[in-house]
Amino acid sequence: GAVVSQHPSWVICKSGTSVKIECRSLDFQATTMFWYRQFPKQSLMLMATSNEGSKATYEQGVEKDKFLINHASLTLSTLTVTSAHPEDSSFYICSASRGAGYTFGSGTRLTVV
Amino acid sequence: GNSVTQMEGPVTLSEEAFLTINCTYTATGYPSLFWYVQYPGEGLQLLLKATKADDKGSNKGFEATYRKETTSFHLEKGSVQVSDSAVYFCALREEGGKLIFGQGTELSVKP
Repeated sequence: GAVVSQHPSWVICKSGTSVKIECRSLDFQATTMFWYRQFPKQSLMLMATSNEGSKATYEQGVEKDKFLINHASLTLSTLTVTSAHPEDSSFYICSASRGAGYTFGSGTRLTVV
Repeated sequence: GNSVTQMEGPVTLSEEAFLTINCTYTATGYPSLFWYVQYPGEGLQLLLKATKADDKGSNKGFEATYRKETTSFHLEKGSVQVSDSAVYFCALREEGGKLIFGQGTELSVKP
């Protein structure tokens, strides 16, 4: 079946540094990638939608200069949290879409200290 | 806008008990509906889905029926196991492909 590999699974970084999270679709080409953020015991909040080769569409209230999304190929999308702060600590999940189906990555736990 | 509302958790059951997790939605048109499951520290896995009214999705003993008249998609399982302990999310798909999630319901099954 379709598999999305998300790395790293967890990361700890210092305030002010940047962190890159990768999502790769291993056995299919993802026309669209969705990036979500999840706070403890809460639902998933859609941050942005990206299509290969074009700029990401960000949801209202999400800072596009802080959360940089690149979808350079049909199998790779990256989310870079720039100048991270403790309030950016969260669980980030990607989801790759091809046609009507969605495949989720296993998530990245980001802790900013 | 479109939205999904789930019953609040946590839900604690004994093994072999009957499970119902309520889910209702507000949407224009007739969106596809989904149930996803999230195990601790992991991403989401599709549990089941239904694409039109009166469809019944089923998988691993779980079932949910798309009820247009009550705008509901309640999740049921006749006999839960400890391994079913997880967080369950109801979701709908908007035109354009975005998924709208409910707030999630944590299920804990005790032996």
